[in-house]
Amino acid sequence: DQQVKQNSPSLSVQEGRISILNCDYTNSMFDYFLWYKKYPAEGPTFLISISSIKDKNEDGRFTVFLNKSAKHLSLHIVPSQPGDSAVYFCAASLTGTYKYIFGTGTRLKVLA
Amino acid sequence: DAGVIQSPRHEVTEMGQEVTLRCKPISGHDYLFWYRQTMMRGLELLIYFNNNVPIDDSGMPEDRFSAKMPNASFSTLKIQPSEPRDSAVYFCASTRDSYQPQHFGDGTRLSIL
Repeated sequence: DQQVKQNSPSLSVQEGRISILNCDYTNSMFDYFLWYKKYPAEGPTFLISISSIKDKNEDGRFTVFLNKSAKHLSLHIVPSQPGDSAVYFCAASLTGTYKYIFGTGTRLKVLA
Repeated sequence: DAGVIQSPRHEVTEMGQEVTLRCKPISGHDYLFWYRQTMMRGLELLIYFNNNVPIDDSGMPEDRFSAKMPNASFSTLKIQPSEPRDSAVYFCASTRDSYQPQHFGDGTRLSIL
């Protein structure tokens, strides 16, 4: 049973517009969440994280929102750029366990 | 700083052969992780080490898989004998502690014929 789900396998967005990637989790004990970006033939690269004590974390063009009651997090990219085209993975963890549970990924394509 | 280094980048071998994947973590990172990525199961944790000691190997699929970390700068993941269903991309990652994100290598793409 998938504990972390990314229900949209792909997403296309026009350059300059907002990209919103979604992630749902089932285990209410998860308290640390991350987003990774992956280009072909490369390893996942850390993008941004959020602890369950927060509901928002921002880093430049990237913002992650956490809704604990809905067990949902989202990544907003504003404005989207062609270089953002990649596969995005969300991951959830219990602080101190070191075990990340990854979603299946969403392929983002930013159209110039 | 150098990132996590994995070798080889690609490996093609025949069923039944022994396969050894290698990983050099980022210097100063005490935790090392081995992941496998497949179409069916996505990215899943196989095993992780702390200070060269295996802590959790519950993700290792079966006895054909083994992992070692003889020192702080080197780890291996071995499959013996290999089977076609072991074909996947294997990633190594490292981190300093649980409050820092894990840093991934570029992976080894393994094909078992």
